Amino acid sequence: DGGITQSPKYLFRKEGQNVTLSCEQNLNHDAMYWYRQDPGQGLRLIYYSQIVNDFQKGDIAEGYSVSREKKESFPLTVTSAQKNPTAFYLCASRFSSSNQPQHFGDGTRLSIL
Amino acid sequence: GQNIDQPTEMTATEGAIVQINCTYQTSGFNGLFWYQQHAGEAPTFLSYNVLDGLEEKGRFSSFLSRSKGYSYLLLKELQMKDSASYLCAGSSGGYQKVTFGTGTKLQVIP
Repeated sequence: DGGITQSPKYLFRKEGQNVTLSCEQNLNHDAMYWYRQDPGQGLRLIYYSQIVNDFQKGDIAEGYSVSREKKESFPLTVTSAQKNPTAFYLCASRFSSSNQPQHFGDGTRLSIL
Repeated sequence: GQNIDQPTEMTATEGAIVQINCTYQTSGFNGLFWYQQHAGEAPTFLSYNVLDGLEEKGRFSSFLSRSKGYSYLLLKELQMKDSASYLCAGSSGGYQKVTFGTGTKLQVIP
């Protein structure tokens, strides 16, 4: 079955540590996105990518980094520079035609130890 | 930019109709999406509007006015399972940036 897979489901980070969240899709989608969601809040855009080897900063990119070496994969690294990383992280993908909806993974819940 | 505003919370009665509004800045606007999100889960797609007017899909309808930067989601014959957050999202620019509003938490009561 085609879909978008995020791993791990739960992740714990120690102070000063970088962690990487995985996002893989087999839908042949061009565009991929990372969002952060805090309790009771909407989704805030961290980074997005329309094609391989290219990505754009979203509204809250500070303290995060991404890569897009393969069309199927868009990992997100939460660096030690992100001082408040505890949140629910959602990855999404879509065909880059403007009327196509995003498909979301099940999310990764990141907490600080 | 795509500053998107929605009411934070709404309450409606089972079997009734509810309208959830969304306003956005029109700069670079391409189209507008509505998603449903149950607590702790990923959002699921409900509807998309690019042209002015009403799009109907069963119990759900969505309306767009591009000139006014305004959209609404209409839910008819409300069911208890419709209790969820409803997210308005706008796509903009050549890179297909998709920005979400803060979401409207809908509670359906008996």
